[in-house]
Amino acid sequence: IAGITQAPTSQILAAGRRMTLRCTQDMRHNAMYWYRQDLGLGLRLIHYSNTAGTTGKGEVPDGYSVSRANTDDFPLTLASAVPSQTSVYFCASSEEAGGAQETQYFGPGTRLLVL
Amino acid sequence: EDQVTQSPEALRLQEGESSSLNCSYTVSGLRGLFWYRQDPGKGPEFLFTLYSAGEEKEKERLKATLTKKESFLHITAPKPEDSATYLCAVEMNAGNMLTFGGGTRLMVKP
Repeated sequence: IAGITQAPTSQILAAGRRMTLRCTQDMRHNAMYWYRQDLGLGLRLIHYSNTAGTTGKGEVPDGYSVSRANTDDFPLTLASAVPSQTSVYFCASSEEAGGAQETQYFGPGTRLLVL
Repeated sequence: EDQVTQSPEALRLQEGESSSLNCSYTVSGLRGLFWYRQDPGKGPEFLFTLYSAGEEKEKERLKATLTKKESFLHITAPKPEDSATYLCAVEMNAGNMLTFGGGTRLMVKP
């Protein structure tokens, strides 16, 4: 079934540890996104990529990095996790960045707890 | 500052009791408004995109409408399986970033 997969489904992480959240899509979408969802704050954009080889900063990029080596994969890395990064992380993709094909489709999420 | 506000935060309905959810926005240059449904523990599921004032979209018991200042998601004769959190998001002219509202948690009792 076409769509977005995220791994791991959930993770408990010690503060200070490095962690990479994986995201893969098989829809050949050019644009990909990472959001975090927190109670009372809604969904907020962390980083995005309009096409393979390019990335950009969203609303809350500090403490996170991304790479886009190919069309399908868009990993999110926490270099040194802190408790405030406890959240649910969603990866999304859209056919294009803007225009009539900009509808974003979301993955199932990764639940991260940083202690 | 661009803002998206959804109301009410939570809504309890009896099965068959129609109602509307509101999404108001203050953005400069709306490119598109999106409605999503999110079930507990799941990612948001796309419902509708609206591009211009006066536009309407329908899907089963749901109808989304758009004005220059707000969007409504009308739910006609809801069923318990319509219980979910409904999110709206706006995209501005400047780029493809979505700004999300806080969501409305809908509970439909049988």
